[in-house]
Amino acid sequence: EQQVQQSPASLVLQEGENAELQCSFSIFTNQVQWFYQRPGGRLVSLLYNPSGTKQSGRLTSTTVIKERRSSLHISSSQITDSGTYLCAMEPSSGSWQLIFGSGTQLTVMP
Amino acid sequence: DAGVTQTPRHEVAEKGQTIILKCEPVSGHNDLFWYRQTKIQGLELLSYFRSKSLMEDGGAFKDRFKAEMLNSSFSTLKIQPTEPKDSAVYLCASSPQGGAETLYFGSGTRLTVL
Repeated sequence: EQQVQQSPASLVLQEGENAELQCSFSIFTNQVQWFYQRPGGRLVSLLYNPSGTKQSGRLTSTTVIKERRSSLHISSSQITDSGTYLCAMEPSSGSWQLIFGSGTQLTVMP
Repeated sequence: DAGVTQTPRHEVAEKGQTIILKCEPVSGHNDLFWYRQTKIQGLELLSYFRSKSLMEDGGAFKDRFKAEMLNSSFSTLKIQPTEPKDSAVYLCASSPQGGAETLYFGSGTRLTVL
C-alpha cells in the first residue's frame, strides 16, 4: 500500500492559471515537506510545513495533520513551474526517514 | 558552497556486474541518505547514516545493496550483482542533523543494467 498518495498524477495548465496539488497519508505524520524536480534535475525543497499554512512566494501549503493530508497551491503559474512536485512525510512512528509520494507532473503551457 | 556531489552521472552495467556509486555530502552534514527513484515506485529509501553510523538499511534492499560511509565526507553504494530491475536513478541526500526542512539532494546517478 502506498503510504503517500498524490493527486492528480499529472496536470496541464495555461500560463497564469492556479494549480492545486493534493497529498494524503495512510499513517500519521510528524511533518510534511514539498519538493520540486525538473526533468533530469535534482530534487529541491520547496516548503516544509508540519501543520497549518505556510507560504513562500507564489506557493502556499496547507497541512491538516489530523486529517492526514496536505496541499500545495501554486498561484499564477509560469512556464518555468513545469516539472514534478513531490510530497514527503515523516511517519510519527519515530524512525526518522522521509516517505515520498509518486509526484504530480505539472506542465504549464504558454 | 558545494552541494551534494554524486558520481558518475550515468552508469551502464551488464547483468551480474558489480557497480559502485559515490556520494560526497554537503560539508559538515551529519546525516546521509541513499534513495532509488523509478517512475513506478517513486523514491525508495535504501540507506540512512547518522554521523557515519548506519541507522536504516532499507529492508528489502539488503541482499545485493550495500552502502558504506568510510568518513564523514564520502559514501558509496555498491550493487552486487546487478540485475536489469536495478535500472533507476540513485539519489544521495544529506542533512545537517535530521529534519526534513534541511535535506539537500544530489543530481543522481542514472544506472542502466542490460
